Parts: sequence; structure tokens; C-alpha cells
Amino acid sequence: EAGVAQSPRYKIIEKRQSVAFWCNPISGHATLYWYQQILGQGPKLLIQFQNNGVVDDSQLPKDRFSAERLKGVDSTLKIQPAKLEDSAVYLCASSLLTGWSPLHFGNGTRLTVT
Amino acid sequence: KNEVEQSPQNLTAQEGEFITINCSYSVGISALHWLQQHPGGGIVSLFMLSSGKKKHGRLIATINIQEKHSSLHITASHPRDSAVYICAVVYGGSQGNLIFGKGTKLSVKP
Repeated sequence: EAGVAQSPRYKIIEKRQSVAFWCNPISGHATLYWYQQILGQGPKLLIQFQNNGVVDDSQLPKDRFSAERLKGVDSTLKIQPAKLEDSAVYLCASSLLTGWSPLHFGNGTRLTVT
Repeated sequence: KNEVEQSPQNLTAQEGEFITINCSYSVGISALHWLQQHPGGGIVSLFMLSSGKKKHGRLIATINIQEKHSSLHITASHPRDSAVYICAVVYGGSQGNLIFGKGTKLSVKP
């Protein structure tokens, strides 16, 4: 089966600019996660979708971050405006159901904000 | 106090050694994932377990729900095992929310 696809692989922007990341989960996976992983730390959940509904976005900085999953398949994560502390790897993962199912991760997008 | 603690944070081993990575957690959980992250690479799921022990090749994962502890063992370690190993616990009801540990960085020297 095809894995979780993410793009772009790398992105460098200046602070106050905007950026968008794209994720295509494994076909048929109902749950989609966006994680932020800062260097030296474990992934931190930003938002969890179940189909096209939001299950958990409690740690999403909503003043600058937004995410959507139209039609319950692909998802985009946007940052506007970016801050220096947003430099991190943004990981997308999907699972058949919820955390009860094996997780499948994309390769991530490495964002550098200068 | 972190809800998921991994130890050690860093581990260097010689090829062929038996390796143990530990994960302790403070929340009540229903399942636990062990994940592997190679430098510059994505994360790969190794195991998901809710009781007892699972084995896949040279990897063995154990969990004791009552003691809130899990271990990942690697037998006959090899340099290609060098990676960050992350433990993630599943809590909550049907949502199956996850909390991740900070990871254990393993380096296996030839």
C-alpha cells in the first residue's frame, strides 16, 4: 500500500510569512494527525481529524495555525504569520481508526523560519 | 513531571549487544506504541501492544499495565538499528489520544 505522502519536504521562510503543508493519508484511514516535532523532543499533537471532523485541536495555536481536511481525505496545515519558534518538523500520520490502530507516518516537512 | 518518561535519553552500544529501552507513564492507558525514527527520516511503527509481549525479528516489546511500564529490547544489535526510539501511550476513550515520550537516541557502533 502507498504510504502517507507529505509535501513539501523542506521549506525555508522568513518570520511573518505564511506557509502551507499538505498531507495525503493512506487510503481508507479515517484518522489523520498533524504533529509538530521540535529538535530533541517527541512529537506534539497539533490536531486530530476523524474523517473530516476535528477530534482534538487543544494544542493548536489557533491565532496563527489552521488546518482542514476537506472530504475526509487530504489535509492542509497552514501557519500565518510564522514565528521563529515554529521551526520544526511537521509530521502527518494516519491510522485506520484512532490511536488504537497502528500509526503510519509521512516523512515530514522540515520548516525553518529565519 | 512528564506523563511519559523514557530512559535512557541516549544510549551507545557495541554491535551485538543486547539493548533495553524503558518507558514509564503516569496516566492510565489502554495501549502503547513503540516507534522508530531514523535521522532525516519519517517515523515507523514497530509495535502496538496492550498486554504481555510481542516479538518481531530481533525486537521484543513488553508491557505491564499495572506497573505502568514498557520495555523495548533489541537482541544482537546492529549499526542499522541506530535511530531514535519513541514510546507513545494511548489514553482516553474512543478517541484514542496519544502522548509521546521524548525518545531514546540509540547509536550502535560496529
